[in-house]
Amino acid sequence: DAKTTQPTSMDCAEGRAANLPCNHSTISGNEYVYWYRQIHSQGPQYIIHGLKNNETNEMASLIITEDRKSSTLILPHATLRDTAVYYCIAGYNKLSFGAGTTVTVRA
Amino acid sequence: NAGVTQTPKFRVLKTGQSMTLLCAQDMNHEYMYWYRQDPGMGLRLIHYSVGEGTTAKGEVPDGYNVSRLKKQNFLLGLESAAPSQTSVYFCASTTIPFTGLTASEQYFGPGTRLTVT
Repeated sequence: DAKTTQPTSMDCAEGRAANLPCNHSTISGNEYVYWYRQIHSQGPQYIIHGLKNNETNEMASLIITEDRKSSTLILPHATLRDTAVYYCIAGYNKLSFGAGTTVTVRA
Repeated sequence: NAGVTQTPKFRVLKTGQSMTLLCAQDMNHEYMYWYRQDPGMGLRLIHYSVGEGTTAKGEVPDGYNVSRLKKQNFLLGLESAAPSQTSVYFCASTTIPFTGLTASEQYFGPGTRLTVT
C-alpha cells in the first residue's frame, strides 16, 4: 500500500494560489493519485486524480513529479469557500483517507 | 438527480441497541462503500459492495453488517451498538471500482452522525 504524508495545516491568502504538497514515495507505477476535500464535516468532494501526467480541471491542477514520489495540488485563486480539509490518496491504502491538510483561506 | 442520500442524518443510541443506516444513490452506480470518520481523523472503510447481492469487508468491519439487496441501496447495520461506534458515517458510490488503480471518482453522501451513550 502506498502511504502519503501531508502537512497538518496551512494558510493561504484569498485570491492567491494555494499549493498543497503530498509525499507518496512508495507509490507503484500503476497506482493513481487522488485528491478530495471535505468542507466543514460535509461529505468529501472529489477534486482531481492523475497517474503520470499533470492534470487540470475546473477546480484545480495536479502536478506529479517525474519520479511520481510526490505531487502538488494547486488551487489557482483561492477563495474563502476553499477552506477545507484536503486529502491526498495514493494507490490502494485500504481505500481509506488519512488525516489530510487543513487549509484555511484568509481574507 | 439527488446523488447519494443517507438516512437518518442524526441518531442517538444507547449501548446495546441496534439500528440500520440507509444509503441510496440514483446514479445507477455499481459500487458502493461505507466509511466511518472519528473526530479529527480521516475516513476508514468499513464495508463495500461491488454489485447487487455482494458485500466485502474493509479496514474496520467488526461490529457492523451490511446488505445490498437492491442496486441503488446499501444498508449498514449495528446489531449491538457500543460507545466506540460513535462516529460520523459516510456512504459513497462509484461507476468503476475505487481500487487505487483506476480513474475512479467517488460520490459521497452528507453523512449520518451517530452517538452511542
